[in-house]
Amino acid sequence: AQSVTQLGSHVSVSEGALVLLRCNYSSSVPPYLFWYVQYPNQGLQLLLKYTTGATLVKGINGFEAEFKKSETSFHLTKPSAHMSDAAEYFCAVNLQGGKLIFGQGTELSVKP
Amino acid sequence: SQTIHQWPATLVQPVGSPLSLECTVEGTSNPNLYWYRQAAGRGLQLLFYSVGIGQISSEVPQNLSASRPQDRQFILSSKKLLLSDSGFYLCAWGSGYTPSEQYFGPGTRLTVT
Repeated sequence: AQSVTQLGSHVSVSEGALVLLRCNYSSSVPPYLFWYVQYPNQGLQLLLKYTTGATLVKGINGFEAEFKKSETSFHLTKPSAHMSDAAEYFCAVNLQGGKLIFGQGTELSVKP
Repeated sequence: SQTIHQWPATLVQPVGSPLSLECTVEGTSNPNLYWYRQAAGRGLQLLFYSVGIGQISSEVPQNLSASRPQDRQFILSSKKLLLSDSGFYLCAWGSGYTPSEQYFGPGTRLTVT
């Protein structure tokens, strides 16, 4: 059965610092993995996705994530945080039939 | 390009009143459609999904129901709202093919008083 665990419900970084949001997954089949961002009172926006091929995936707004099969991880990173990155981030893994399982989310705060 | 609309954006309803939230998708045909609820400080809970007109699958038993009267229209309803129905309701669409990301609407903030 597929599942997603996001380590840390709240992460705080200083502006300009590295952003690292952790996601571990469990899947009985080759996973397809996604990161979404949600700003307050808005819907979710797709940041990036991993399907097959290159394990380092680049997304929008300078974010990237690396699929590590041996560690069952898909951590999200950004070299330098910006104030506008403050939001909630969700990791997700696919289920059959187009459904997704989402992690509980990580709220990112960026301090000036 | 594809767009997804939800309305209303916000709604305040008394306990026991009916509910109807609407979602429409433009720019694609035969999408999979999804209703999620996001309670305060919590993740996303899948409520219903639909792979075609009139085809609805329920993920969580509750006093809500969903309908898909047209290919790109998805409606979430309730006959009598409960306080626990308060939350942020999100509609999403996906192609249904694996792998398939989902694309979300702007959401409806429902407060039951």
